[in-house]
Amino acid sequence: DAGITQSPRHKVTETGTPVTLRCHQTENHRYMYWYRQDPGHGLRLIHYSYGVKDTDKGEVSDGYSVSRSKTEDFLLTLESATSSQTSVYFCAISDRVADTQYFGPGTRLTVL
Amino acid sequence: SQKIEQNSEALNIQEGKTATLTCNYTNYSPAYLQWYRQDPGRGPVFLLLIRENEKEKRKERLKVTFDTTLKQSLFHITASQPADSATYLCALDRGGGNNRKLIWGLGTSLAVNP
Repeated sequence: DAGITQSPRHKVTETGTPVTLRCHQTENHRYMYWYRQDPGHGLRLIHYSYGVKDTDKGEVSDGYSVSRSKTEDFLLTLESATSSQTSVYFCAISDRVADTQYFGPGTRLTVL
Repeated sequence: SQKIEQNSEALNIQEGKTATLTCNYTNYSPAYLQWYRQDPGRGPVFLLLIRENEKEKRKERLKVTFDTTLKQSLFHITASQPADSATYLCALDRGGGNNRKLIWGLGTSLAVNP
């Protein structure tokens, strides 16, 4: 998986609790992305980063925040988890903007 | 808005045949188009990228064509094998500068039967 890890790989949580997902890369790529993948919707971009402390919103950013304090780490936080945020979350990296992306193994999140 | 459509029906073919998957898009002129493979429970894996000024690209048993007039890309797997069974996603770029992003099709599920 091109030197990308995600943690945790699985998580079950309750509605209203905060959740943080971590993406760690060893490739020194500038761009990092968080996607969610749901049946019937495909991959949808939540947030992305184009450098340390430089982030921007994707198409489904409501209810999510991100932080990138180091090149290698990109955190996704669900401020107050809802059942609609039950999904599989993928982190991806790329060396150039919108170029070939390399994906992590995914985190399966269930919000009860 | 930009829209990408891939074969919505799963594709079942016999081993050894050529699989052809379609990716159609509207309302945009991407600089390039990419194809990825996704296995169950795993993240997508990059396969091929084709640029707007390229008609065709090959990699081993894979071939991609890109017709910017028809707004269509075709993805071919020749001499298909059961190990090629997976979901195949196409993605194209949109926007500019640091706002440039990939948008994704829903994918086509391919099953190669022995």
